[in-house]
Amino acid sequence: GAGVSQSPSNKVTEKGKDVELRCDPISGHTALYWYRQSLGQGLEFLIYFQGNSAPDKSGLPSDRFSAERTGGSVSTLTIQRTQQEDSAVYLCASSLTAGAENEQFFGPGTRLTVL
Amino acid sequence: AQSVAQPEDQVNVAEGNPLTVKCTYSVSGNPYLFWYVQYPNRGLQFLLKYITGDNLVKGSYGFEAEFNKSQTSFHLKKPSALVSDSALYFCAVRDGLGGYQKVTFGIGTKLQVIP
Repeated sequence: GAGVSQSPSNKVTEKGKDVELRCDPISGHTALYWYRQSLGQGLEFLIYFQGNSAPDKSGLPSDRFSAERTGGSVSTLTIQRTQQEDSAVYLCASSLTAGAENEQFFGPGTRLTVL
Repeated sequence: AQSVAQPEDQVNVAEGNPLTVKCTYSVSGNPYLFWYVQYPNRGLQFLLKYITGDNLVKGSYGFEAEFNKSQTSFHLKKPSALVSDSALYFCAVRDGLGGYQKVTFGIGTKLQVIP
């Protein structure tokens, strides 16, 4: 069965450029999450989607970060005017529902490098 | 506010010996506890969870974890370590208040199994 997929797997960009990261969750999973993983920093929560709406955007670090989800499926995380401190691995996860008892299924991540 | 502590950055164990990766937590309500494993250049993979019931939880790849309410701990264990168990392990907690609750991850513990 298909798991969570993310694209691209690697992205190198220049400071100031915009980037889009894509996540394709497991079919039927209503909850979708974005995290950022930096070396030695663990996982930093960014945003949570239930269907197409985002009830919890509290982790987005600045207004340069935005995300959307369409058709209750694919999600795109956009970073505008990238900065070097945005360099990290961006992980997407989905779960059957947002219930606290449900484990999350993670994609392989997108490694973003801002030069 | 909820939190997770993984007090050891790295755990080294000889192949065939028992292993323990420590986790303690703090949460307002009932804790829902999870362990995930991350292999190099991969996303996180669910290992096991405690929601309610038996304090000893068994999961994938021969791993188990014991929920200890009085010590607010959820240590991950395996009776006999394999070299292939070498990876980064994350403990996570959610508050079991119902509905959506944010996940808090620990910073991870690197497990090194020595042949």
